[in-house]
Amino acid sequence: SQTIHQWPATLVQPVGSPLSLECTVEGTSNPNLYWYRQAAGRGLQLLFYSVGIGQISSEVPQNLSASRPQDRQFILSSKKLLLSDSGFYLCAWTTGAELFFGEGSRLTVL
Amino acid sequence: AQSVAQPEDQVNVAEGNPLTVKCTYSVSGNPYLFWYVQYPNRGLQFLLKYITGDNLVKGSYGFEAEFNKSQTSFHLKKPSALVSDSALYFCAVRDGGSARQLTFGSGTQLTVLP
Repeated sequence: SQTIHQWPATLVQPVGSPLSLECTVEGTSNPNLYWYRQAAGRGLQLLFYSVGIGQISSEVPQNLSASRPQDRQFILSSKKLLLSDSGFYLCAWTTGAELFFGEGSRLTVL
Repeated sequence: AQSVAQPEDQVNVAEGNPLTVKCTYSVSGNPYLFWYVQYPNRGLQFLLKYITGDNLVKGSYGFEAEFNKSQTSFHLKKPSALVSDSALYFCAVRDGGSARQLTFGSGTQLTVLP
């Protein structure tokens, strides 16, 4: 069966520090991969999606970037975090219609 | 363009009563519609989807949803609510013919009162 892993689950970072969140999917091949951010426990904002290795589409201009170095690995990064980057980050995958989500990474920027 | 609206931020229902969480959508092509549930500090869990076929879709945990093309709605329902159903519910839509990503509603907080 397919599984998705996100880490770290929680992190607290100072303003201006770098960020790396990692997501891996097991049990499937060539998935579409997505990064969402959820602020204040509500709406989901699509940040990036990828249909293949090295192929990244950005939905909003911001302080973040994404990379897909392997078929089932999706990384969210920042060189210098801002206070506004705080939130709950969710990775998701699909090979069909519905998305399947990881358990999320909660980022607090101080 | 695709969009989805959840008109209620909060729905309260007594345990054992039927529940409805509302969703309306807008797409230019054929709608693919989804419901997800989120418990505190967890990821979203898939409940059910409508792609084509029967307008009444059954999903996990006794939930069902009815696709209504004329009203562009996809309301989530359950005949008898449980306290454990209390959570945040998201409706999502994708333009089946062209879009690669889902658009999510703003979420509805369901509280089932004992």
